[in-house]
Amino acid sequence: GESVGLHLPTLSVQEGDNSIINCAYSNSASDYFIWYKQESGKGPQFIIDIRSNMDKRQGQRVTVLLNKTVKHLSLQIAATQPGDSAVYFCAEIRGTGTASKLTFGTGTRLQVTL
Amino acid sequence: NAGVTQTPKFRILKIGQSMTLQCTQDMNHNYMYWYRQDPGMGLKLIYYSVGAGITDKGEVPNGYNVSRSTTEDFPLRLELAAPSQTSVYFCASSPQQGKSGNTIYFGEGSWLTVV
Repeated sequence: GESVGLHLPTLSVQEGDNSIINCAYSNSASDYFIWYKQESGKGPQFIIDIRSNMDKRQGQRVTVLLNKTVKHLSLQIAATQPGDSAVYFCAEIRGTGTASKLTFGTGTRLQVTL
Repeated sequence: NAGVTQTPKFRILKIGQSMTLQCTQDMNHNYMYWYRQDPGMGLKLIYYSVGAGITDKGEVPNGYNVSRSTTEDFPLRLELAAPSQTSVYFCASSPQQGKSGNTIYFGEGSWLTVV
């Protein structure tokens, strides 16, 4: 059988370097995007979000960039630390209220090397 | 606050057996969700609820049932377990969805194997 995460794209980054994780989305009607971090054996944790009328948002050591022209979202992590090792998912929300749906992308595994 | 609590953490089922995954949240959130996550994949929505007494199907509802009799609890029922239901199940809740500043809180997950 297939092991967990075998076909996840993997990004290896040296400790202290910056990481850039990319995500493509398909629906131009999506109005809200979220990045989640998922450590092994745990549920997804919220990192940062961005509305569709913005192109950049910064948090603590993280920045999300949104390019609606090419439907591309990226997560930048500054000064990557071993604790950043995890799988990162982008998710998009379409619609509002009871009609809104949260849809997850495939995910990228970030490996931080010492 | 405990947040979102799921039980059991691990379970092995035989084909055709039934079971219920329990989920409870103590944040008084209106919205609750059940997702499944297959190996190496993102989460897929099974069912969701926008308040007590209201439930609706997500992307992959077949083989599952839910109920929402209270704001706190949102159990997921598997009636006739199949190997295709081997997965990790996550319950989640949010105060609302589609609004600025919204976040969704996830439970720790329930690992289910059907043999």
